[in-house]
Amino acid sequence: AQKVTQAQTEISVVEKEDVTLDCVYETRDTTYYLFWYKQPPSGELVFLIRRNSFDEQNEISGRYSWNFQKSTSSFNFTITASQVVDSAVYFCALSPRNRDDKIIFGKGTRLHILP
Amino acid sequence: DTGVSQDPRHKITKRGQNVTFRCDPISEHNRLYWYRQTLGQGPEFLTYFQNEAQLEKSRLLSDRFSAERPKGSFSTLEIQRTEQGDSAMYLCASSHPMREPFFGPGTRLTVL
Repeated sequence: AQKVTQAQTEISVVEKEDVTLDCVYETRDTTYYLFWYKQPPSGELVFLIRRNSFDEQNEISGRYSWNFQKSTSSFNFTITASQVVDSAVYFCALSPRNRDDKIIFGKGTRLHILP
Repeated sequence: DTGVSQDPRHKITKRGQNVTFRCDPISEHNRLYWYRQTLGQGPEFLTYFQNEAQLEKSRLLSDRFSAERPKGSFSTLEIQRTEQGDSAMYLCASSHPMREPFFGPGTRLTVL
């Protein structure tokens, strides 16, 4: 069975603070993809990153960084120097690499950045 | 650069009525997906097409739901005899095979 758990339902931080969103996944597949999407108040899901399971290098993109640890089945997302525009719901997701047509999403973490 | 578009953006209907939603994918994408998202939940997979072929349907897609992609371009999702439990955001996405899906703005359905 495939499952994605985002234990943090809601987080509030003050602007300019760093914040980490946790994601833990379960899969029996040996190869798979992990994703993060952002859903701002407008409702449209915005793609942030896709990571292949055999690539455990951490990734940084501007203020965003991702920490993938296969040993703990975690794919955490950190926003550095948060801004009010980062306020959104963030979804972690998983798909088998040989069945990339079906993505399993977590329930999301609602992030509030307070001015 | 045009993304995925969906129409209508909002739909209010009475229980028992039929509704149809349209999705126009990114033009060069041959995969098209439908997901459903209820309040406080992540999107759930409903079905997907590769070109005009519907290759998988979730168990969530009851007999009242039907999706088509007749020419491998736009797609429609029809719900017959709507129920209050069908109230949700219906999301369409498209992609190249083996690439990440890009989502549209969604159609919010409210069944009264």
